[in-house]
Amino acid sequence: DQQVKQNSPSLSVQEGRISILNCDYTNSMFDYFLWYKKYPAEGPTFLISISSIKDKNEDGRFTVFLNKSAKHLSLHIVPSQPGDSAVYFCAASGAGSYQLTFGKGTKLSVIP
Amino acid sequence: DTAVSQTPKYLVTQMGNDKSIKCEQNLGHDTMYWYKQDSKKFLKIMFSYNNKELIINETVPNRFSPKSPDKAHLNLHINSLELGDSAVYFCASSGGLAGREQFFGPGTRLTVL
Repeated sequence: DQQVKQNSPSLSVQEGRISILNCDYTNSMFDYFLWYKKYPAEGPTFLISISSIKDKNEDGRFTVFLNKSAKHLSLHIVPSQPGDSAVYFCAASGAGSYQLTFGKGTKLSVIP
Repeated sequence: DTAVSQTPKYLVTQMGNDKSIKCEQNLGHDTMYWYKQDSKKFLKIMFSYNNKELIINETVPNRFSPKSPDKAHLNLHINSLELGDSAVYFCASSGGLAGREQFFGPGTRLTVL
């Protein structure tokens, strides 16, 4: 029973273009969403988050959009750089909870 | 200066053995976690401790026993290792101003032969 789904296992994008990574969730109790980036042989590192009271959060080249009615969020990276090549995990947590539920990840390859 | 550290990074052992993985965080966080990333790449929560007290205990065989001697350390002991225990185990911590963001260690790749 996957409560957080990342349906694209991989994505390839040209350097300088926009990368869009998608995530869907099923649990309406989730109220906080996070994106993590993971390089091989390293632990996930926090990238950006968004609370359910917002529909957009921006941090430099990274923007997360949340569509609560569709239970969908997306991470936009613009412009994409080769160093962005990594696996990106979407995660969610419910109100009052520190427990994170992760998606399966999307492997982003940025081609120079 | 590593925020969340784990030892060892790699662990290769035989079925039936007992092994431990250690985790330490220097972020002053109150909550620590153990996750398992299996061959299908899912990151699944196993345990969570808050101020040395167990608060999350997902469906994990009781061969796995976490121990938190203080709030900066959360160790994972595994008895009678099985082939299916082969995975990457990540420690994480959260708390304070970081809110619900969790900070992860580098992972321990456990291989059971």
